[in-house]
Amino acid sequence: GAGVSQTPSNKVTEKGKYVELRCDPISGHTALYWYRQSLGQGPEFLIYFQGTGAADDSGLPNDRFFAVRPEGSVSTLKIQRTERGDSAVYLCASSTGLAGLDTQYFGPGTRLTVL
Amino acid sequence: DAKTTQPNSMESNEEEPVHLPCNHSTISGTDYIHWYRQLPSQGPEYVIHGLTSNVNNRMASLAIAEDRKSSTLILHRATLRDAAVYYCILRDGSGGSNYKLTFGKGTLLTVNP
Repeated sequence: GAGVSQTPSNKVTEKGKYVELRCDPISGHTALYWYRQSLGQGPEFLIYFQGTGAADDSGLPNDRFFAVRPEGSVSTLKIQRTERGDSAVYLCASSTGLAGLDTQYFGPGTRLTVL
Repeated sequence: DAKTTQPNSMESNEEEPVHLPCNHSTISGTDYIHWYRQLPSQGPEYVIHGLTSNVNNRMASLAIAEDRKSSTLILHRATLRDAAVYYCILRDGSGGSNYKLTFGKGTLLTVNP
C-alpha cells in the first residue's frame, strides 16, 4: 500500500522567506510526527499529533515553526522568516496511534535549503 | 532518558553475517530496545525490537544481554541493500513520552561486494 509521502522533495528558498512542507500519512494512521535531520546527525523530534491536535510540540525550536493537521490526516509544517540554520531534511512519520510503542513509518523527507 | 552508545561505523562483506553492537548501561526495566535503519536518501525504517528475550524477524535478529545493558543486531547475510545507518533506540514501555524516537548518530554500515 501507499506509504508516507512528503512534498516537495526539495525546497530551496531565500533567507527570510516563508515555507510550507506537506506530509501525507498512511491512510488511517491517527498519529503523525515531524522530525528534523541535520547533516551527519540522527533525526530530532519536533512535534507529535494525535488526530487533529498537537499532543507534544516541545521539539519545535522557536515560534517561527508551526504545524497543523486540521482534518486529522495531512499535516503541514510551516516555517516563517527562514534562516540558514533551518537548512535540513524534514522527516514526517505516521503510526496507528493504537499502542504506545507502535512502529513509526517515515516518509522520504523534504530537503530544505535556505540560501 | 536512557542513552545508547554505538560505534560510528562498521564494514562488512556481502553475504557475511554482521553484528552491530549497542550499549545501554542505564537502561530501565521498562525500556524496550528498538532498532531502525536509514538507507541513503530515505527516511528511517523499523527493523526489530525486544525487551528481554532474543527476537527474530525476516529482516534481522536481536540478541539482548542477560543484564540488558547491551544488545546486538544481527544481519545473517549482509547484502548491498543493507548499507545504511543503524540506530539503536530505547523506548519506555511504561508510557510518558515514549512516542518520541530519540535517535543518536547511529552506526554507518558499509557492505563491500
